[in-house]
Amino acid sequence: DARVTQTPRHKVTEMGQEVTMRCQPILGHNTVFWYRQTMMQGLELLAYFRNRAPLDDSGMPKDRFSAEMPDATLATLKIQPSEPRDSAVYFCASGIETGDPANTEAFFGQGTRLTVV
Amino acid sequence: AQSVTQLGSHVSVSEGALVLLRCNYSSSVPPYLFWYVQYPNQGLQLLLKYTTGATLVKGINGFEAEFKKSETSFHLTKPSAHMSDAAEYFCAVSWGFIGTASKLTFGTGTRLQVTL
Repeated sequence: DARVTQTPRHKVTEMGQEVTMRCQPILGHNTVFWYRQTMMQGLELLAYFRNRAPLDDSGMPKDRFSAEMPDATLATLKIQPSEPRDSAVYFCASGIETGDPANTEAFFGQGTRLTVV
Repeated sequence: AQSVTQLGSHVSVSEGALVLLRCNYSSSVPPYLFWYVQYPNQGLQLLLKYTTGATLVKGINGFEAEFKKSETSFHLTKPSAHMSDAAEYFCAVSWGFIGTASKLTFGTGTRLQVTL
């Protein structure tokens, strides 16, 4: 059963600490998305990769957030330094961009719940 | 500006009753439309989507939605609610070019409660 795997599922950290969230996309998928979910803002797109290249990270605060894909099986989202306002659930999603919208779907992981105290 | 609006942050229905969750979008270009469901402490799961073709689309778990261009709407319905349908439902849209169809903009979500 192919699925997007995110680790850790939960993370509590102190303000100022570095946080790294990891995502293993579904094998063969060529697009990866990072979303952040909060009560106030709902679901926001932070970054978007295709074939490991960042296509859009306009939704991501550049001063403290960074997103990378070291290889096709791993995507990372890093926050340094973390702040209490970063507390949220961070979702990774993967999909295949075939050029046919009818066959395009984003599959979501279970999320990383981050609490910064 | 392009946006997605879900009317009603909370909807409560009785088991067996009709479910209607509303979604409207604003755009000068018809978007691709999606409904996702999120169960507690889980990720989002695709219920159904409209890209092209028939405007009435059927999804999983007995849900369906109809794209109405004239009303810029994509409301989600299910004839008979089940207790297991209790979850949060997100309408999402994507616009633009083939190749960016998965870049989604989400509505704020509607929490569905099903009562006995």
